[in-house]
Formats: sequence, C-alpha cells, structure tokens
Amino acid sequence: DIQMTQSPSTLSASVGDRVTITCRASQGISSWLAWYQQKPGKVPKLLIYKASSLESGVPSRFSGSGSGTEFTLTISSLQPDDFATYYCQQYNTYYTFGQGTKLEIK
Amino acid sequence: EVQLVESGGGLIQPGGSLRLSCAASGFTVSSNYMSWVRQAPGKGLEWVSLINSGGSIYYADSVKGRFTISRDNSKNTLYLQMNSLTAEDTAVYYCARSHSDSRGYYHFDYWGQGTLVTVSS
Repeated sequence: DIQMTQSPSTLSASVGDRVTITCRASQGISSWLAWYQQKPGKVPKLLIYKASSLESGVPSRFSGSGSGTEFTLTISSLQPDDFATYYCQQYNTYYTFGQGTKLEIK
Repeated sequence: EVQLVESGGGLIQPGGSLRLSCAASGFTVSSNYMSWVRQAPGKGLEWVSLINSGGSIYYADSVKGRFTISRDNSKNTLYLQMNSLTAEDTAVYYCARSHSDSRGYYHFDYWGQGTLVTVSS
C-alpha cells in the first residue's frame, strides 16, 4: 500500500504569510495527487488535482507542485478564510490520504 | 445537479452490523467509480472502499473481510455493509464520486454530507 506523509502536522501563520505544506509518498505516484481543504463539520473541498492543476473557482493564491514522491501545496498570501485542515490524496493506486495539516492563526 | 445523500448511520453495539446507503442523483452510479471514506472524530480522512464502473471492488486493509461495498443500479444507490464493528469504526462515513474517464479514475469530485456511525456499548 502507498503511504502518504504530510508535514508539518500543525502550522501557525499570520494573514498575509506565504505557507508551504509538504506531502511525501512511500513510492512514486507520478502526478496523481490531489489537495483538499476541510473546515470543521464540513465536507472536504478540492483545491488541486494532478499535483498542480487548480480546481475551477479556487483562488489563484493556492498552487501545487511536485511529481514522483514529493509534493507541495503553497498558499501565497494567507487569507482569514484559509485557516483550515489540508489533506493530500494519492490516486495512483486506489486512494490514500495524508494525515492532514492543521493551519492555525498565529 | 449531482447530489449524494448518505443514510443509515447510528449507534450500534460492538460486534454489530450496519448498512449505509448513499442515494445518488444527477448521474448514474453504475457508470462511475464510487468510494466510501470515513473520518473518526477529530481525526483525518481514511479511504475505505471503492467500486468501479466494471464492478471491481477494493478495500482498505483495516476493513477487509468485514465491510462489503455494493450498488443497486435500479435505485442508483451505493451501499456499505459493515459487520463485526468495533469502537475503531466510529466515524463519519462519506460517499464520494471519482472524476473518471476512459483512461481511469482520478480525484474525488463530489462528496455526500456524511452519516455518523457510533460503535459503543
């Protein structure tokens, strides 16, 4: 099975900061990776698919990069609405999620 | 409009069984890749099971042998039969549709709102 490891688990940042979350796969997954944002009590929302493609309607401050085993999600300038938990998901072989990164207000 | 509506959750004793349903509208379940995903209270997302348009089925190791995914084409509904439940199965269970094409399956493009399963005596 493919394991996905996100870092950090928790990230404290301020409005306007640039932040990066990393996701590592236990084996190569090409670009078959998605990023989701989840707020408490809500359904996950797709942000990025195929490692770097921005989902329609998602602000351009979100970007994704990487291929193979290492991937990043970057938020260029944090907005108040961005404080949430972020998950990566591989879909090279069935599905696996990372353990999540909670983005907190500093 | 695509909609997924889960039902069937509730309180169940350890060792018991429960069947979850996911009623779909706006698309045909049997023509798509459909999954169940769960989220324990305060924890992350865990993929549970997948059924593809050809009927092939896959499970996470944590539920293999205890859970069964199925679909009823006449009702356009996805199911998850859960047996031998333990406290570790307590979670919100979501059904989700995969974006897919002739080459395969990809990210989830639609999710239901989830149904809570609590396993406790």
